[in-house]
Amino acid sequence: GESVGLHLPTLSVQEGDNSIINCAYSNSASDYFIWYKQESGKGPQFIIDIRSNMDKRQGQRVTVLLNKTVKHLSLQIAATQPGDSAVYFCAENRVGGSNYKLTFGKGTLLTVNP
Amino acid sequence: DADVTQTPRNRITKTGKRIMLECSQTKGHDRMYWYRQDPGLGLRLIYYSFDVKDINKGEISDGYSVSRQAQAKFSLSLESAIPNQTALYFCATSDPKRGEKLFFGSGTQLSVL
Repeated sequence: GESVGLHLPTLSVQEGDNSIINCAYSNSASDYFIWYKQESGKGPQFIIDIRSNMDKRQGQRVTVLLNKTVKHLSLQIAATQPGDSAVYFCAENRVGGSNYKLTFGKGTLLTVNP
Repeated sequence: DADVTQTPRNRITKTGKRIMLECSQTKGHDRMYWYRQDPGLGLRLIYYSFDVKDINKGEISDGYSVSRQAQAKFSLSLESAIPNQTALYFCATSDPKRGEKLFFGSGTQLSVL
């Protein structure tokens, strides 16, 4: 999984499998979390977000789960496709802040094998 | 993202040179940001601007300056480039009325020799 201070972790999955990318955050006061996808040569692209008053949020083929007890965030990608290959970042926003307090993790490299 | 445009896409320069990276957006967002990305590290905030008259330092502003020429334009300058400023630079925008999501440009790869 991903956490501030670690080298870039990697996850390799087979096409069609489900992927789970993990993120540990450090500040229990964080109240907003975002997942971004960054493909090679491109800027980060918003995937899904979740506020701390929720435990789960679903999008198209993606689900974000938030466990505030252990300060853990995960991104689940259903039926992973080759186009999902990218680096995935989680980001947290601190209470009382705005975007300028958005703190990014170092990312997880997802590789989808055909 | 075609709505946030960064120029140039790539730049190679020498130590001591002055460099300007430019960012323009057609999203109509008031808030603009400059981030730096280094291999193995997350995105780090250099400067941000919440409107044309507002400029704020981020966590790594030393060695950089910015100018918000208009709502749609936010440029980043390196007055005297040094090799450890070699990195991928991203401009981003946001609209607080639409939540806290950042919209990023495609980045500028800067190499300082």
